[in-house]
Amino acid sequence: EIELTQSPGTLSLSPGERATLSCRASQNVRSNYVAWYQQKPGQAPRLLIYGASRRATGIPDRFSGSGSGTAFTLTISGLEPEDFVVYYCQQYGTSPLTFGGGTKVEIK
Amino acid sequence: EVQVLESGGGLVQPGESLRLSCAGSNPDFNSYAVSWVRQTPGKGPQWVTSISANSDTTSYADSVKGRFSISRDYSRNTVYLQMHSLRAEDTATYFCVIFASRGEVRFDYWGRGTLVTVSA
Repeated sequence: EIELTQSPGTLSLSPGERATLSCRASQNVRSNYVAWYQQKPGQAPRLLIYGASRRATGIPDRFSGSGSGTAFTLTISGLEPEDFVVYYCQQYGTSPLTFGGGTKVEIK
Repeated sequence: EVQVLESGGGLVQPGESLRLSCAGSNPDFNSYAVSWVRQTPGKGPQWVTSISANSDTTSYADSVKGRFSISRDYSRNTVYLQMHSLRAEDTATYFCVIFASRGEVRFDYWGRGTLVTVSA
């Protein structure tokens, strides 16, 4: 099973700033099949990025993903008030699919 | 587009059983593989089990293998998760999820979740 480690656990930033979230895998993720999710309190996770760098339908272009192999990054350029929530990475290249422990983006 | 709605959660004692349902909003639901993912507060989601569109293939997380069973009823556009020998560590919100792709475009459909609490 591929373990995903997200860092930092909490990121304290101000609106308008850039957020950089990291996700490291315990082994290479096949075909860079990494997704990023946003989760607001009381809601299901929402798909933001798949295939490491492709934005899902309807996702604003301030969200971008990058990386390959074992190191992946979610960047949010210009934080909006609604972006201060929790983010998870997921790998779906190898069964079982697994999720990271999350990064909370909070207002500084 | 397909919407999914979970039901059947509740409070049970350790060792008891519970059946969760995931109902699709239209027959398109039956053409997708369906998964259950669970989550406890403050933790990342955990994949639990999946069933293929034609029910030929099922898979389970090691933590639930032998205790949980997934099945589907095509006439009801519904997937079931039968849970036996429940443990305190099974306490979580259970989400029904369709992880799918159309060509190279990936999309998900998630339900709102149903809470399962295992406690004496």
